[in-house]
Amino acid sequence: DSGVTQTPKHLITATGQRVTLRCSPRSGDLSVYWYQQSLDQGLQFLIQYYNGEERAKGNILERFSAQQFPDLHSELNLSSLELGDSALYFCASSPLGGGDEQFFGPGTRLTVL
Amino acid sequence: LAKTTQPISMDSYEGQEVNITCSHNNIATNDYITWYQQFPSQGPRFIIQGYKTKVTNEVASLFIPADRKSSTLSLPRVSLSDTAVYYCLVGEPDRGSTLGRLYFGRGTQLTVWP
Repeated sequence: DSGVTQTPKHLITATGQRVTLRCSPRSGDLSVYWYQQSLDQGLQFLIQYYNGEERAKGNILERFSAQQFPDLHSELNLSSLELGDSALYFCASSPLGGGDEQFFGPGTRLTVL
Repeated sequence: LAKTTQPISMDSYEGQEVNITCSHNNIATNDYITWYQQFPSQGPRFIIQGYKTKVTNEVASLFIPADRKSSTLSLPRVSLSDTAVYYCLVGEPDRGSTLGRLYFGRGTQLTVWP
């Protein structure tokens, strides 16, 4: 158990819909990362927050957005969902950020029908 | 961003030593090199991290040459349970004063055979 929690574990929705994925980092970790993993794309870094502020951006679509709240939990919002958004979404946290060791959550499996 | 290149797959047999090399030609001065292991449907798990020369822990060794343009993860005496995807990550620790940067490679699928 990494100490990072993600909800829900599974999510099934339809194209065009909007969903919110939630992540609670390990106690004391200031940085939260979001990743998307699909069969054909591997592990893709989406975005990083550090103590409430956006710190790094990867291959995140404009239809996706994220935020980190004062209590340090984070949410990833996915809108206008397409079939290709079906993937495992991982959240990770680290004490600081960047190259520090990241602790990954169990992931949320999103299925878009 | 310091992009990384790894072999797509590797095969080994139980009891052998496995070396997985990652190329990161554009690594920056402040970048660290980190390796992660991932089993199917699980989040990646930290294995080892280093900046230069050699780092060893209870599960692996990390060799980094002087130019730091590559690194090699060494797994001694692998077992079937070491079958997983191994990712090389290059990034700069975010100390709050500079932006953190990070990039995961595509990963190397290691298959260990009996």
